[in-house]
Amino acid sequence: EEKVVESGGGLVQPGGSLKLSCEASGFIFSGYGMNWVRQAPGKGLEWVSFISSAGVDTDYAESVKGRFTISRDNAKNSLYLQMNSLTVEDSAVYYCVRKGMTPSPYYYHYFYMDVWGKGTMVAVSS
Amino acid sequence: EIVLTQSPGTLSSSPGERATLSCRTSQTVGSSYLVWYQQKPGQAPRLLIYAASSRATGIPDRFSGSGSGTDYTLTINRLEPEDFAVYYCQQYASSPYTFGQGTRLDIK
Repeated sequence: EEKVVESGGGLVQPGGSLKLSCEASGFIFSGYGMNWVRQAPGKGLEWVSFISSAGVDTDYAESVKGRFTISRDNAKNSLYLQMNSLTVEDSAVYYCVRKGMTPSPYYYHYFYMDVWGKGTMVAVSS
Repeated sequence: EIVLTQSPGTLSSSPGERATLSCRTSQTVGSSYLVWYQQKPGQAPRLLIYAASSRATGIPDRFSGSGSGTDYTLTINRLEPEDFAVYYCQQYASSPYTFGQGTRLDIK
């Protein structure tokens, strides 16, 4: 079974830091780009960050750029999100999500998010 | 940033009926990069449709997607009790990979 499991969430004070982890199993982790997506309580989905399969390329939402750092360790089948300078607006369930792809009939691939973890809750409050 | 607007915000339907959900993008994204997800309470989202009209593995054929340019539709035929959930569209054409605000499909 293809699976990702997040950990590391918790309660942190504004201005604090937290590091999320995600462990993958059931697929060749090093062959896939990975994302973090978050969902504030009662709200919709927000893409947060992406890292390429080899960890060379990264991308961030403007709302977290300069504060969050995504990384991965392919030897450990693990993805990470270091979150610094946290604000109450960062409170959310954070999902680790695989970037899936399927070849199209043309020269490019179709992309989507196909393996989602159950999420880990981050609460930023004083 | 590409903004995705889903309508209606809430749709009330009965089992056995057809539901039609809409997603409009602020710029052309190309049907290859439009994705639909389903989320039930307390659960992670689940991939339904990619490339606007291709069903993901294991998704029943009562779910279908269509559209092009800036207008996309998710149609659910013969609604089953387990289909009542929140549905999100997402674009994968350019970063940031934005989601719509969601359509809640309620039982009438």
